Amino acid sequence: DIQMTQSPSSLSASVGDTVTITCRASQTISTYLNWYQQKPGKAPKLLIYAASTLHSGVPSRFSGSGSGKDFTLTISSLQPEDLATYYCQQSYTSPEMFTFGPGTKVEIK
Amino acid sequence: QMKLVESGGGVVQPGRSLRLSCAASGFTFSSDAMHWVRQAPGKGLEWVAVISYDGNKKYYADSVKGRFTISRDNSKNTLHLQMNSLRPEDAAIYYCARDYSNFYYGMDVWGQGTTVTVSS
Repeated sequence: DIQMTQSPSSLSASVGDTVTITCRASQTISTYLNWYQQKPGKAPKLLIYAASTLHSGVPSRFSGSGSGKDFTLTISSLQPEDLATYYCQQSYTSPEMFTFGPGTKVEIK
Repeated sequence: QMKLVESGGGVVQPGRSLRLSCAASGFTFSSDAMHWVRQAPGKGLEWVAVISYDGNKKYYADSVKGRFTISRDNSKNTLHLQMNSLRPEDAAIYYCARDYSNFYYGMDVWGQGTTVTVSS
């Protein structure tokens, strides 16, 4: 099974900062990597799919990169509404298995 | 607009069964694969199951294989999750979600979730 890890598990940053979250797969997954944002008490929302494609309606301050095993989600110019937990998810082994990372909690200083 | 509404959650004793439903609207339900994803209290997301657009292909997480059954009724735009032999570790918020494209591009529409509590 493919395992997903994320770092850091949590971070605190100021409004306007650039934030980078890393996701690593236990084996190569090409670019079959998606990112979600989950605000407190809400359902997750798809942010980025195929490692770097911004989903419709997602602000351009969000960006994704990477391939193989290592991926990053970058939030440039952090906003108060970006307070959330961010999850990566691999779909390389779809449809038999989909795996989420453990999440990164982003707090605003 | 595209909408998913889950129902059927509740409190159930270990070993008992529960059936969750997810009503879809605002998109062509019969054209899209659908997922169930759960989230235990204070924990991360765990994928549970997926069903193809026509119901012919079904896949499950190892943690629920043999106990849970995903199904759909395209005539009623409804997704189901039959959960048998429930365990305390199955307690979670259960979300239904639409598959964005051919299983590879994530889940783009999510319901608000329904809560399952497994307790004696």
